[in-house]
Amino acid sequence: DIQMTQSPSSVSASVGDRVTITCRASQDISNWLAWYQQKPGKAPKLLIYGASSLQTGVPSRFSGSGSGTDFTLTVSSLQPEDFATYYCQQANSFPLTFGQGTRLEIK
Amino acid sequence: EVQLEESGGGLVQPGGSLRLSCAASGFTLSHYAMYWVRQAPGRGLEYVSAIGSNGGGTFYANSVKGRFTISRDSSKNTLYLQMGSLRPEDMALYFCARKSTIAAVPYFDSWGQGTLVTVSS
Repeated sequence: DIQMTQSPSSVSASVGDRVTITCRASQDISNWLAWYQQKPGKAPKLLIYGASSLQTGVPSRFSGSGSGTDFTLTVSSLQPEDFATYYCQQANSFPLTFGQGTRLEIK
Repeated sequence: EVQLEESGGGLVQPGGSLRLSCAASGFTLSHYAMYWVRQAPGRGLEYVSAIGSNGGGTFYANSVKGRFTISRDSSKNTLYLQMGSLRPEDMALYFCARKSTIAAVPYFDSWGQGTLVTVSS
């Protein structure tokens, strides 16, 4: 199975800050990676697919980059509604696997 | 509007069975690959099972293979997960999710709100 490791596990930031979350795959997954946002008690929401493509309707302050084994999700200017948990997911091979999550908290 | 609504969760004893349902609206379920993903309390997301579109195959995580069965009823536009030989480690919020058509690989563009399965004596 491909292991997905996110860092940090949690981060505190303020509205307006720029934040970057990292996801590392245990083997090459090309660009078959997605990022999701999950708020408490809610279902995950697709933000980024193909490592860098923005899902329809997602604000442009979200961006993704990377290929191979190392990927990043960046929020360029945090808004109050962005405080949530973020997960990466590899779609390269079964079983599909997710990172353990990064909790983005208000400082 | 695309909607997915899970039901069927509840309290079950170890070794017991439960059938989860996921009713779809706003799209034809059989035209899409569909998945079950679970989340244990306070934990991350875990892939459970998948069913291909239009008669495609079924797939399972090793942790549930032989105990869970995924299926769908096109006449009811509903996805199912039959769970048997349940273990405490199966306790989780179970989401159904639709594979997006934006890529050949599985990304999930629609999710239900989940149904909670509790396994305890």
